[in-house]
Amino acid sequence: GQQVMQIPQYQHVQEGEDFTTYCNSSTTLSNIQWYKQRPGGHPVFLIQLVKSGEVKKQKRLTFQFGEAKKNSSLHITATQTTDVGTYFCARVIDKLIFGTGTRLQVFP
Amino acid sequence: EAGVTQSPTHLIKTRGQQATLRCSPISGHTSVYWYQQALGLGLQFLLWYDEGEERNRGNFPPRFSGRQFPNYSSELNVNALELEDSALYLCASSLQGRYSPLHFGNGTRLTVT
Repeated sequence: GQQVMQIPQYQHVQEGEDFTTYCNSSTTLSNIQWYKQRPGGHPVFLIQLVKSGEVKKQKRLTFQFGEAKKNSSLHITATQTTDVGTYFCARVIDKLIFGTGTRLQVFP
Repeated sequence: EAGVTQSPTHLIKTRGQQATLRCSPISGHTSVYWYQQALGLGLQFLLWYDEGEERNRGNFPPRFSGRQFPNYSSELNVNALELEDSALYLCASSLQGRYSPLHFGNGTRLTVT
């Protein structure tokens, strides 16, 4: 129903490798937001996607919204140790529901 | 600009007691949200307040309650504490509007023994 699934649950990469997390919904999403939570920290808003097929970039981060607005992805190019954390997507219904999250670990 | 502030940082209670957690939103933000994050897990939606009214609540028992004051600050009350209530409680604020991004506080770590 309202749950937003993210895959993978965990990802360990070597510094410099790329990383992608996927957010999937069984129903159409009106929009999708992405947040990052560093270990021991609180979630921080990264970006919001609204339009079908939308692609937005923030330096090494690329966010995509699926054509059918049922999925979204976050891709990080050439990961750095500062990218460590859990990445959450979130959908707006009548409240903001967070996905299950993907925990990224980067080894130097 | 001051961020979202939560107090206390840590709270230790025994089973059956009551806990009160407080949140001050960013100036100009009228919406306040509460989330529960159990250790290593995701964010579970608890409550949403806007303009002093409860707009929505998550799938939590009635012993989780709260309110929003005229200055938009908010309080979360948890009665009859149970061991599984131990978690990080995060407050977030936003401008009015369903799609406004959330700004989170550092949370209150509640431990129930």
